[in-house]
Amino acid sequence: ETGVTQTPRHLVMGMTNKKSLKCEQHLGHNAMYWYKQSAKKPLELMFVYSLEERVENNSVPSRFSPECPNSSHLFLHLHTLQPEDSALYLCASSQEYSNEQFFGPGTRLTVL
Amino acid sequence: AQSVSQHNHHVILSEAASLELGCNYSYGGTVNLFWYVQYPGQHLQLLLKYFSGDPLVKGIKGFEAEFIKSKFSFNLRKPSVQWSDTAEYFCAARYGRSYIPTFGRGTSLIVHP
Repeated sequence: ETGVTQTPRHLVMGMTNKKSLKCEQHLGHNAMYWYKQSAKKPLELMFVYSLEERVENNSVPSRFSPECPNSSHLFLHLHTLQPEDSALYLCASSQEYSNEQFFGPGTRLTVL
Repeated sequence: AQSVSQHNHHVILSEAASLELGCNYSYGGTVNLFWYVQYPGQHLQLLLKYFSGDPLVKGIKGFEAEFIKSKFSFNLRKPSVQWSDTAEYFCAARYGRSYIPTFGRGTSLIVHP
């Protein structure tokens, strides 16, 4: 257990569905991250929330929409996804400037 | 652009062999360096980190890494690997005062018993 939880752990969805991934951290950190982990590719940083401001990777499609209602919770809203979006989605948190990231177990997403 | 390079994508070793995984970073200023490990079916977890001071860093499970500024390198080492070290290893760097890390593409290590 790292203090970062993610739900659901597995998700299968069709291309027309709308779903959300949830991440919660119990570490008192003030930065949270979404990553995409695909086979044989580097970890892709999608979004960062720090002190409730958002930083995003401009290459992430608009069908991914993050939400951070407070410093402990982070969501990733999904709509009209494509099969190539199938991957492991990782959430992480850190304390700004202390640098070490704590990762959740991930959500394995399959888009049919 | 700031980057992290891991040159070994796949490494296969026998138990008791010595391990060295390469990691090179690109930035010449302040940098914090990390090695993370992802065991099969488990979450990413920190092995060790370098912020400043002694360039030889000791981590968990017998791993160590050496920061060599002149070579922009932070290679991971273990003198004698075990079957349980089979995992994916990621090098990461945080440059300057940014809280946004850059990850390498990972090295898959398989240790045969």
